[in-house]
Amino acid sequence: GIQVEQSPPDLILQEGANSTLRCNFSDSVNNLQWFHQNPWGQLINLFYIPSGTKQNGRLSATTVATERYSLLYISSSQTTDSGVYFCAVGSYNQGGKLIFGQGTELSVKP
Amino acid sequence: DSGVTQTPKHLITATGQRVTLRCSPRSGDLSVYWYQQSLDQGLQFLIQYYNGEERAKGNILERFSAQQFPDLHSELNLSSLELGDSALYFCASSPRDPGYEQYFGPGTRLTVT
Repeated sequence: GIQVEQSPPDLILQEGANSTLRCNFSDSVNNLQWFHQNPWGQLINLFYIPSGTKQNGRLSATTVATERYSLLYISSSQTTDSGVYFCAVGSYNQGGKLIFGQGTELSVKP
Repeated sequence: DSGVTQTPKHLITATGQRVTLRCSPRSGDLSVYWYQQSLDQGLQFLIQYYNGEERAKGNILERFSAQQFPDLHSELNLSSLELGDSALYFCASSPRDPGYEQYFGPGTRLTVT
């Protein structure tokens, strides 16, 4: 099956700093999503981005499907950005399921 | 708020017992997915239903079963519970499958003592 690798596993930032999270996947995909899991355990949809670039406020994401990676950019980080960021992928030939990476745990210090 | 609801939020039960987790998908979504998040296995796909029929199975134990009802809500039944079944169980929904964005409910935290 498809393998998903996220890096770095942990990240500690000062408030106001920028960061880039990476997601590598081992095969072509038709679905790629980024999630933020907050300290209460909720999975919040950030981006649905099987290819291309999208921006939403201080967050943006880019997926280069031909090279099998996606990047999530967080600018001017805030303490509320803390939590775990997951990348998840799916492909038509594996049905509709999402395969998750192990996540990047982000801690933003005031 | 994703529009996906799950009940209960928390569940504490003893080994050997049986529990039922409930999920209501977003209005209009036909596909429902169940995922398990545990400390050692991460987030893993369990099973998918599409418009009442089982569509795909993942790493779901034989002690677990699910169904999707005509009103499209879904239930995940866990029986003969073991300590290792303690986890966060998520339900997600999408309009169809595959390749559509999935929206996740708030999860049910199951603790088996």
